[in-house]
Amino acid sequence: SQTIHQWPATLVQPVGSPLSLECTVEGTSNPNLYWYRQAAGRGLQLLFYSVGIGQISSEVPQNLSASRPQDRQFILSSKKLLLSDSGFYLCAWSVAGNATPLHFGNGTRLTVT
Amino acid sequence: GDSVTQMEGPVTLSEEAFLTINCTYTATGYPSLFWYVQYPGEGLQLLLKATKADDKGSNKGFEATYRKETTSFHLEKGSVQVSDSAVYFCALVNTGNQFYFGTGTSLTVIP
Repeated sequence: SQTIHQWPATLVQPVGSPLSLECTVEGTSNPNLYWYRQAAGRGLQLLFYSVGIGQISSEVPQNLSASRPQDRQFILSSKKLLLSDSGFYLCAWSVAGNATPLHFGNGTRLTVT
Repeated sequence: GDSVTQMEGPVTLSEEAFLTINCTYTATGYPSLFWYVQYPGEGLQLLLKATKADDKGSNKGFEATYRKETTSFHLEKGSVQVSDSAVYFCALVNTGNQFYFGTGTSLTVIP
């Protein structure tokens, strides 16, 4: 069966520090991969999605970036965090090529202080 | 473009009450529709899905029917429990593998 791992679960970082959140998927090949952000009490905002290694689409201009160095690995990064980057970050995957459901990780709670 | 509109919350119900959370969508073609549930501090879990018109998705006592004529996918449960307290998201995916989510509806069930 397929599983998705996302870490860390919580993170407190000072303004201006770098960020690296990692997500890996097991049990499937060539998945579509997604990063979402959920601000407190708000809905989901799509940040990035990827249909293959090295292929990243950005939905919202910001100081975040994403990379997909391996087929089932998706990394969210920032060189310098802003206070407004605080939120709940969710990684998700879906089967490529079909209108199948998204499967989410457990999320990372990021607090920028 | 495609979009999902979901009823505003929060919703507070007594245990064993009937639940309806409205969801309507705008999409070209024939999207697949989903309901997700998010418990506090966790990621979203798929609750149920429907892939074509008149399909009924069901899981854990929740149901939703894909109504193309009214472009709706309302979530219902006949008797809610305290453990159903969570945030519920309606979503669709179309041929481009782009997912569109509603803003979420917070449900609190009180004993």
